[in-house]
Amino acid sequence: QSALTQPPSASGSPGQSVTISCTGTSSDVGGYNYVSWYQQHPGKAPKLMIYEVSKRPSGVPDRFSGSKSGNTASLTVSGLQAEDEADYYCSSYAGSNNFDVVFGGGTKLTVL
Amino acid sequence: QITLKESGPTLVKPTQTLTLTCTFSGFSLSTSGVGVGWIRQPPGKALEWLALIYWDDDKRYSPSLKSRLTITKDTSKNQVVLTMTNMDPVDTATYYCAHSAGATGSSWDYWGQGTLVTVSS
Repeated sequence: QSALTQPPSASGSPGQSVTISCTGTSSDVGGYNYVSWYQQHPGKAPKLMIYEVSKRPSGVPDRFSGSKSGNTASLTVSGLQAEDEADYYCSSYAGSNNFDVVFGGGTKLTVL
Repeated sequence: QITLKESGPTLVKPTQTLTLTCTFSGFSLSTSGVGVGWIRQPPGKALEWLALIYWDDDKRYSPSLKSRLTITKDTSKNQVVLTMTNMDPVDTATYYCAHSAGATGSSWDYWGQGTLVTVSS
């Protein structure tokens, strides 16, 4: 059982927007602005899409955006494209007394 | 450009110790702020963070696996080594090494291709 809770699936049609949630606690998501999102295509390594809640690494399209409210972080994919179909994982720093990083269970995004 | 590659055994027996090597290029682990982490993923399951080592040799471990993990670095060889003791079939997973990013080093912007390790007798 993963520390962060994500919906197992999400879907949208090309051009639409989809938002994936990631719920934690005040010890992780709610306590720090260190939430990351990864995209993973089948058989491939994860790719960093968002870090520190809303920052995009160089090369990531601005169709991908991140936000956080309380203990829940969200990833929004706007203008869905076929290549966005993948698994998405959130993670959060969960430091407190000891350094820790926790992941969500993943969300399968389907482009209809 | 930054690249990382994992190497090690593909099959280990229960109770054995796993040793994985991450060989990287495009950055130096002697540069301030740099870190390399290990993350694993059982087949069909979610990612799980294992360990992280920083440029200053500071080491961090997953609390749930701390007693079984050791992470070290060889700056001259551009390598990071992870050892995991007392392997069990539930440890069967693809093991990734990755370059850390962000203020805490708790996100990873460059990943290796991963290496599948199967634990079976």
